[in-house]
Amino acid sequence: AQSVTQPDIHITVSEGASLELRCNYSYGATPYLFWYVQSPGQGLQLLLKYFSGDTLVQGIKGFEAEFKRSQSSFNLRKPSVHWSDAAEYFCAVGGEGNMLTFGGGTRLMVKP
Amino acid sequence: DTGVSQNPRHKITKRGQNVTFRCDPISEHNRLYWYRQTLGQGPEFLTYFQNEAQLEKSRLLSDRFSAERPKGSFSTLEIQRTEQGDSAMYLCASSSTGLAGTQYFGPGTRLLVL
Repeated sequence: AQSVTQPDIHITVSEGASLELRCNYSYGATPYLFWYVQSPGQGLQLLLKYFSGDTLVQGIKGFEAEFKRSQSSFNLRKPSVHWSDAAEYFCAVGGEGNMLTFGGGTRLMVKP
Repeated sequence: DTGVSQNPRHKITKRGQNVTFRCDPISEHNRLYWYRQTLGQGPEFLTYFQNEAQLEKSRLLSDRFSAERPKGSFSTLEIQRTEQGDSAMYLCASSSTGLAGTQYFGPGTRLLVL
C-alpha cells in the first residue's frame, strides 16, 4: 500500500529565510510525486510534480523539490520565504491515472 | 480554461438529512476524482470516474454515499442520512488521461452536520 509521511506538522520560519519541508513516501513502483499548497478554506494548488527524468524539479512561486529514490524522499525547498507563503503544504504520491495518497500536511508560518 | 468548480461552497445540514454536491471539471478532462478532507488532515481518496464509468471506490465510501457522472461531464456526490462524522471538506479534482494526468482541484464544499 502506498503512504506518505510529512514528519513536521508545523514549521515557523522568518521572512527571507530558506525553507525545507520533508516528505517520505512508500510506493511499490516508480512513483509520481506532487506537492500541493492549500490556503485556509481553499482547495489545493499544484506547486510541482515529478514523473521521471531530472530529479530536481522546479515549480511555481520559486519552489523546487528533489526526488531521492535511495531515501524515498521528495523534499520541498525555497531559498527565500515570503509572508504570502504561509499556508499548508501537502506531499502526495500516486500512479498513473489513479488515486493520490496525501501526507498529513505541514503548516508553514512566516514571522516578519 | 475555467478550472474545476464546485457547488455549493458551504452546506450546513441537520443529522439525518440528505445532501448533494456538484463538481464541474475542466472541460477537456475525462477523469474526475472525489476526496474528503477532515480538519487538520490531508485529503483522502473516495472515488474516481473515467468518463461516465466509476472505476474505483475507497472503503471510506459507505453505502450512504453515492457518486454519479451520468454524461461524463459534471459529477454529483450524494450523502444520505448524514451523520456528524460526515462533516468535512469534500474536494473534487479532474485530470486528463496519460502520463501527464496531473489532478487539478476545485475549491471544495465544506459540509457541517449539526
